[in-house]
Amino acid sequence: EAQVTQNPRYLITVTGKKLTVTCSQNMNHEYMSWYRQDPGLGLRQIYYSMNVEVTDKGDVPEGYKVSRKEKRNFPLILESPSPNQTSLYFCASSFVLPSVSTEAFFGQGTRLTVV
Amino acid sequence: AQKITQTQPGMFVQEKEAVTLDCTYDTSDPSYGLFWYKQPSSGEMIFLIYQGSYDQQNATEGRYSLNFQKARKSANLVISASQLGDSAMYFCAMREGDSSYKLIFGSGTRLLVRP
Repeated sequence: EAQVTQNPRYLITVTGKKLTVTCSQNMNHEYMSWYRQDPGLGLRQIYYSMNVEVTDKGDVPEGYKVSRKEKRNFPLILESPSPNQTSLYFCASSFVLPSVSTEAFFGQGTRLTVV
Repeated sequence: AQKITQTQPGMFVQEKEAVTLDCTYDTSDPSYGLFWYKQPSSGEMIFLIYQGSYDQQNATEGRYSLNFQKARKSANLVISASQLGDSAMYFCAMREGDSSYKLIFGSGTRLLVRP
C-alpha cells in the first residue's frame, strides 16, 4: 500500500530535550516536505527536499533541522524544542513531475507537545 | 498578503443538502494548481480534488466539484448531498509553478453536517 509513515503519532516532551520525528514513504517520490499545523493558520511549510541530499527552508524553519540521506526517509529534528513548537506536524511527499498537478500524500500527523 | 483565503471558519449544513466552501487565491504565476483536502477529527489529510490553472472544465470527483472562476481567482468546493461523515476541516491549497514546489494552505473551514 502506498503510504507516508510518520512516527511517533503523539509525543510529549520537555523543553530542550532533542527529538526526532521520522517520516518514510514507499512511493519513490523525489519531493518530501514537513508542515506544521496551528489553529487559524492552516499548514505552513517548515523544510522541503527535492531529492537526496537536497534540502531547503520553507516558511517557518527556525528551530528545526532535516536531512535527506535516502530517498524514502526525511526526518525532522528539533535540537532544543520549545513550547512554541507545540503543534501538529505533517510529512508529505510527491513526485516532482508533472509539476503543479502532482498530488501530495500526507502522513498521519504527529501531535507534539513541549512542556 | 494572504495567498489562499478561506473566509468561513465554520459552517453548518443539513444532511443531504449541498454546501459550498469558499476559497480565493492570489498569484501572478500563470501556472498553478489548486487542491482541496479534508481533515477529519482523526487528523489525517485526505486529498479530495484538484484543478489546474489551464483546465477548461471544472473538476469533479464523485460528490465533490470545484467551482473554478479564474478571473475572480476563486476555487470553491461544492459538496453535494452532504453526509454525516463529511463533518471535518477542509483546506484549500495552491501550488505555484516556482522551484519551491510547496503547497500553500488556507486557514481552513470546519464543516458540521447536521442530521
